[in-house]
Amino acid sequence: RKEVEQDPGPFNVPEGATVAFNCTYSNSASQSFFWYRQDCRKEPKLLMSVYSSGNEDGRFTAQLNRASQYISLLIRDSKLSDSATYLCVVIYSSASKIIFGSGTRLSIRP
Amino acid sequence: DVKVTQSSRYLVKRTGEKVFLECVQDMDHENMFWYRQDPGLGLRLIYFSYDVKMKEKGDIPEGYSVSREKKERFSLILESASTNQTSMYLCASSLMRQGTSPLHFGNGTRLTVT
Repeated sequence: RKEVEQDPGPFNVPEGATVAFNCTYSNSASQSFFWYRQDCRKEPKLLMSVYSSGNEDGRFTAQLNRASQYISLLIRDSKLSDSATYLCVVIYSSASKIIFGSGTRLSIRP
Repeated sequence: DVKVTQSSRYLVKRTGEKVFLECVQDMDHENMFWYRQDPGLGLRLIYFSYDVKMKEKGDIPEGYSVSREKKERFSLILESASTNQTSMYLCASSLMRQGTSPLHFGNGTRLTVT
């Protein structure tokens, strides 16, 4: 079993829809969580940090559920420009180890 | 804003050549990383460094070495390039060793070895 798992998608949704995806992790010693966005043939860019209390940035909401060991990303009122691959990242501070999910592809159609 | 700069966007090298990939960050970050990214394999860590002159192997260090002589610069060296090292190479940096800071990536070097 992978340490961090994401549904690879692709998620194909119409513009304006709400879409959500999860990322599960297996090690409860994990410390920090992030969502990254990666456009085709570009570098990953930090989208937002994830906290137990939730984190909202405009149309994007990230949530951490430590009991069930997953993080989520919700995108409301999706735009064509949201089409990208979304990577979750889990950092285990005890081992200073950084684990990337394999990414979820999102495609927004007009 | 954090800036991580990789010296080349595209490189084409011949098999057996020694290849240097340079990365510079301007935010005084302690940690620096080199990853490669291939379709279907995701991001794989090659080497990382927590301090000047310090380096640690990642998941796939074979065929690579690194150098960190100054805090802001982390170089990846392919001692004798091979075709299976054709890939997208990504440098990243982060602030603290104890893993609460996100990584910031450079814009990548797409290396082709012929």
